[in-house]
Amino acid sequence: DAGVIQSPRHEVTEMGQEVTLRCKPISGHDYLFWYRQTMMRGLELLIYFNNNVPIDDSGMPEDRFSAKMPNASFSTLKIQPSEPRDSAVYFCASSPGTGWGGGYTFGSGTRLTVV
Amino acid sequence: AQSVSQHNHHVILSEAASLELGCNYSYGGTVNLFWYVQYPGQHLQLLLKYFSGDPLVKGIKGFEAEFIKSKFSFNLRKPSVQWSDTAEYFCAGMDMGRRALTFGSGTRLQVQP
Repeated sequence: DAGVIQSPRHEVTEMGQEVTLRCKPISGHDYLFWYRQTMMRGLELLIYFNNNVPIDDSGMPEDRFSAKMPNASFSTLKIQPSEPRDSAVYFCASSPGTGWGGGYTFGSGTRLTVV
Repeated sequence: AQSVSQHNHHVILSEAASLELGCNYSYGGTVNLFWYVQYPGQHLQLLLKYFSGDPLVKGIKGFEAEFIKSKFSFNLRKPSVQWSDTAEYFCAGMDMGRRALTFGSGTRLQVQP
Protein backbone atom coordinates (compact mmCIF):
# COMPACT_ATOMS: atom_id res chain seq x y z
CA ASP A 1 0.00 0.00 0.00
CA ALA A 2 1.29 3.47 -0.84
CA GLY A 3 0.13 4.88 2.47
CA VAL A 4 -1.84 8.07 2.94
CA ILE A 5 -1.24 10.33 -0.04
CA GLN A 6 -1.53 14.09 0.20
CA SER A 7 -1.24 16.69 -2.51
CA PRO A 8 0.23 19.11 -3.12
CA ARG A 9 3.34 18.80 -0.92
CA HIS A 10 3.86 22.55 -0.97
CA GLU A 11 1.47 25.35 -1.77
CA VAL A 12 2.20 29.05 -1.89
CA THR A 13 -0.74 31.31 -2.48
CA GLU A 14 -1.72 34.92 -2.13
CA MET A 15 -4.04 36.14 0.57
CA GLY A 16 -7.65 35.94 -0.54
CA GLN A 17 -7.17 33.03 -2.92
CA GLU A 18 -8.92 29.69 -2.57
CA VAL A 19 -6.76 26.74 -1.56
CA THR A 20 -7.70 23.08 -1.86
CA LEU A 21 -5.74 20.34 -0.14
CA ARG A 22 -6.27 16.72 -1.09
CA CYS A 23 -5.96 13.42 0.68
CA LYS A 24 -6.24 9.79 -0.34
CA PRO A 25 -6.50 7.49 2.69
CA ILE A 26 -5.32 3.92 2.87
CA SER A 27 -7.77 1.60 1.15
CA GLY A 28 -10.11 -0.01 3.66
CA HIS A 29 -9.58 2.57 6.38
CA ASP A 30 -12.89 3.87 7.68
CA TYR A 31 -11.61 6.94 9.52
CA LEU A 32 -9.99 10.02 8.05
CA PHE A 33 -8.58 12.94 10.01
CA TRP A 34 -7.33 16.40 9.12
CA TYR A 35 -4.77 18.02 11.43
CA ARG A 36 -3.00 21.36 11.27
CA GLN A 37 0.50 21.84 12.70
CA THR A 38 1.96 25.22 13.61
CA MET A 39 4.80 26.26 15.87
CA MET A 40 2.47 28.20 18.12
CA ARG A 41 -0.40 25.74 18.48
CA GLY A 42 1.17 22.35 17.76
CA LEU A 43 -1.03 19.67 16.23
CA GLU A 44 -4.71 20.56 16.15
CA LEU A 45 -7.50 18.30 14.99
CA LEU A 46 -9.62 20.12 12.46
CA ILE A 47 -12.19 17.50 11.49
CA TYR A 48 -12.61 13.77 11.17
CA PHE A 49 -14.81 11.46 9.12
CA ASN A 50 -16.13 7.96 9.66
CA ASN A 51 -17.34 6.14 6.56
CA ASN A 52 -17.28 9.43 4.66
CA VAL A 53 -19.51 11.19 7.20
CA PRO A 54 -18.11 14.13 9.20
CA ILE A 55 -18.19 13.19 12.88
CA ASP A 56 -16.57 16.13 14.60
CA ASP A 57 -15.74 19.44 12.96
CA SER A 58 -15.41 21.44 16.16
CA GLY A 59 -11.78 22.11 15.38
CA MET A 60 -12.43 23.86 12.10
CA PRO A 61 -11.28 27.41 12.84
CA GLU A 62 -13.99 29.33 11.03
CA ASP A 63 -16.35 29.35 8.11
CA ARG A 64 -13.51 29.90 5.68
CA PHE A 65 -12.57 26.26 6.20
CA SER A 66 -14.58 23.39 4.76
CA ALA A 67 -13.90 19.69 4.30
CA LYS A 68 -15.56 17.02 2.24
CA MET A 69 -15.24 13.32 1.73
CA PRO A 70 -17.28 12.42 -1.36
CA ASN A 71 -16.14 8.79 -1.32
CA ALA A 72 -14.00 6.40 0.68
CA SER A 73 -10.86 7.16 -1.26
CA PHE A 74 -10.75 10.93 -1.36
CA SER A 75 -11.09 13.96 0.88
CA THR A 76 -10.51 17.67 0.43
CA LEU A 77 -9.86 20.54 2.80
CA LYS A 78 -10.68 23.92 1.34
CA ILE A 79 -9.81 27.37 2.60
CA GLN A 80 -11.65 30.27 1.00
CA PRO A 81 -10.49 32.99 1.26
CA SER A 82 -7.03 32.17 2.58
CA GLU A 83 -5.20 34.40 5.08
CA PRO A 84 -1.55 34.56 6.17
CA ARG A 85 -2.46 33.05 9.57
CA ASP A 86 -3.55 29.89 7.76
CA SER A 87 0.08 29.16 6.94
CA ALA A 88 0.85 25.78 8.46
CA VAL A 89 1.48 22.14 7.64
CA TYR A 90 -1.77 20.26 7.10
CA PHE A 91 -1.70 16.53 7.75
CA CYS A 92 -4.22 13.93 6.75
CA ALA A 93 -4.33 10.59 8.57
CA SER A 94 -6.44 7.46 8.37
CA SER A 95 -7.16 4.43 10.52
CA PRO A 96 -9.21 1.23 10.24
CA GLY A 97 -12.64 0.94 11.77
CA THR A 98 -12.35 -2.56 13.19
CA GLY A 99 -9.48 -4.75 14.20
CA TRP A 100 -7.74 -1.57 15.00
CA GLY A 101 -4.29 -2.08 16.42
CA GLY A 102 -3.95 1.49 17.43
CA GLY A 103 -2.43 4.55 15.91
CA TYR A 104 -3.00 6.44 12.73
CA THR A 105 -1.13 6.41 9.47
CA PHE A 106 -0.20 9.94 8.56
CA GLY A 107 0.40 11.42 5.15
CA SER A 108 3.48 13.49 4.39
CA GLY A 109 1.58 16.72 4.82
CA THR A 110 0.97 19.84 2.76
CA ARG A 111 3.01 22.89 3.69
CA LEU A 112 0.81 25.90 3.01
CA THR A 113 2.22 29.40 2.83
CA VAL A 114 -0.17 32.30 2.39
CA VAL A 115 1.55 35.57 1.48
CA ALA B 1 -11.93 17.93 28.80
CA GLN B 2 -9.30 15.49 27.66
CA SER B 3 -5.82 16.85 27.50
CA VAL B 4 -2.24 15.75 27.18
CA SER B 5 0.66 17.87 28.36
CA GLN B 6 4.36 17.70 27.69
CA HIS B 7 6.45 19.95 29.88
CA ASN B 8 9.83 19.46 28.21
CA HIS B 9 9.79 21.61 25.10
CA HIS B 10 13.39 21.24 24.06
CA VAL B 11 15.87 18.65 25.27
CA ILE B 12 19.52 18.47 24.29
CA LEU B 13 21.51 15.32 25.00
CA SER B 14 24.81 13.81 24.03
CA GLU B 15 24.94 10.46 22.29
CA ALA B 16 24.68 7.49 24.68
CA ALA B 17 22.88 9.55 27.30
CA SER B 18 19.63 8.23 28.72
CA LEU B 19 16.36 9.84 27.74
CA GLU B 20 13.13 10.41 29.57
CA LEU B 21 10.43 12.67 28.14
CA GLY B 22 7.47 13.53 30.31
CA CYS B 23 3.82 13.18 29.38
CA ASN B 24 0.82 13.72 31.61
CA TYR B 25 -2.76 13.14 30.65
CA SER B 26 -6.12 14.23 31.91
CA TYR B 27 -8.94 11.89 31.00
CA GLY B 28 -12.04 10.91 32.85
CA GLY B 29 -12.35 7.32 31.77
CA THR B 30 -10.45 4.63 29.95
CA VAL B 31 -7.66 6.10 27.92
CA ASN B 32 -5.38 4.90 25.19
CA LEU B 33 -1.98 6.56 25.04
CA PHE B 34 0.55 6.88 22.26
CA TRP B 35 3.95 8.28 21.45
CA TYR B 36 4.66 9.50 17.94
CA VAL B 37 7.93 10.69 16.45
CA GLN B 38 8.40 13.25 13.69
CA TYR B 39 11.83 13.33 12.07
CA PRO B 40 12.83 16.62 10.43
CA GLY B 41 10.71 17.27 7.38
CA GLN B 42 8.74 14.06 7.73
CA HIS B 43 5.31 12.94 8.87
CA LEU B 44 4.44 11.49 12.23
CA GLN B 45 5.18 7.85 12.88
CA LEU B 46 3.90 5.68 15.70
CA LEU B 47 6.56 4.72 18.25
CA LEU B 48 4.45 2.82 20.74
CA LYS B 49 1.00 2.58 22.24
CA TYR B 50 -0.71 1.59 25.46
CA PHE B 51 -4.23 0.19 25.57
CA SER B 52 -4.31 -2.02 28.64
CA GLY B 53 -2.36 -4.76 30.38
CA ASP B 54 1.33 -4.47 31.11
CA PRO B 55 1.99 -0.81 31.92
CA LEU B 56 5.50 -1.04 30.51
CA VAL B 57 5.21 -0.79 26.75
CA LYS B 58 8.04 -1.43 24.34
CA GLY B 59 8.10 0.21 20.95
CA ILE B 60 10.30 0.50 17.95
CA LYS B 61 13.92 1.66 17.90
CA GLY B 62 14.55 0.77 21.54
CA PHE B 63 11.97 3.13 23.00
CA GLU B 64 9.70 2.22 25.88
CA ALA B 65 7.08 3.99 27.97
CA GLU B 66 5.52 3.33 31.33
CA PHE B 67 1.89 4.00 32.14
CA ILE B 68 1.56 5.09 35.78
CA LYS B 69 -2.11 5.56 36.51
CA SER B 70 -1.58 7.10 39.95
CA LYS B 71 0.56 9.82 38.44
CA PHE B 72 -1.45 10.24 35.23
CA SER B 73 1.81 9.84 33.39
CA PHE B 74 3.10 8.03 30.33
CA ASN B 75 6.77 8.95 30.08
CA LEU B 76 8.92 7.91 27.15
CA ARG B 77 12.36 6.42 27.81
CA LYS B 78 15.38 5.18 25.98
CA PRO B 79 18.52 3.99 27.79
CA SER B 80 21.00 5.27 25.21
CA VAL B 81 20.13 7.81 22.52
CA GLN B 82 21.73 8.10 19.11
CA TRP B 83 22.22 11.09 16.86
CA SER B 84 19.53 9.62 14.60
CA ASP B 85 16.98 10.04 17.41
CA THR B 86 17.02 13.79 16.81
CA ALA B 87 13.36 14.53 16.16
CA GLU B 88 10.20 15.90 17.71
CA TYR B 89 8.27 13.58 19.98
CA PHE B 90 4.54 13.83 20.59
CA CYS B 91 2.51 12.20 23.29
CA ALA B 92 -1.15 11.63 22.40
CA GLY B 93 -4.25 10.31 24.06
CA MET B 94 -7.61 9.01 22.98
CA ASP B 95 -10.65 8.29 25.10
CA MET B 96 -12.80 5.35 24.16
CA GLY B 97 -15.80 7.49 23.31
CA ARG B 98 -14.06 9.60 20.71
CA ARG B 99 -11.86 8.21 18.03
CA ALA B 100 -9.69 11.29 17.51
CA LEU B 101 -6.26 11.70 19.07
CA THR B 102 -5.39 14.70 21.20
CA PHE B 103 -1.71 15.57 20.94
CA GLY B 104 0.60 17.21 23.40
CA SER B 105 2.64 20.22 22.34
CA GLY B 106 5.66 18.09 21.50
CA THR B 107 9.24 17.86 22.73
CA ARG B 108 12.09 18.65 20.40
CA LEU B 109 15.01 16.33 21.08
CA GLN B 110 18.44 17.26 19.83
CA VAL B 111 21.16 14.63 20.17
CA GLN B 112 24.68 15.90 19.79
CA PRO B 113 27.36 13.55 18.44
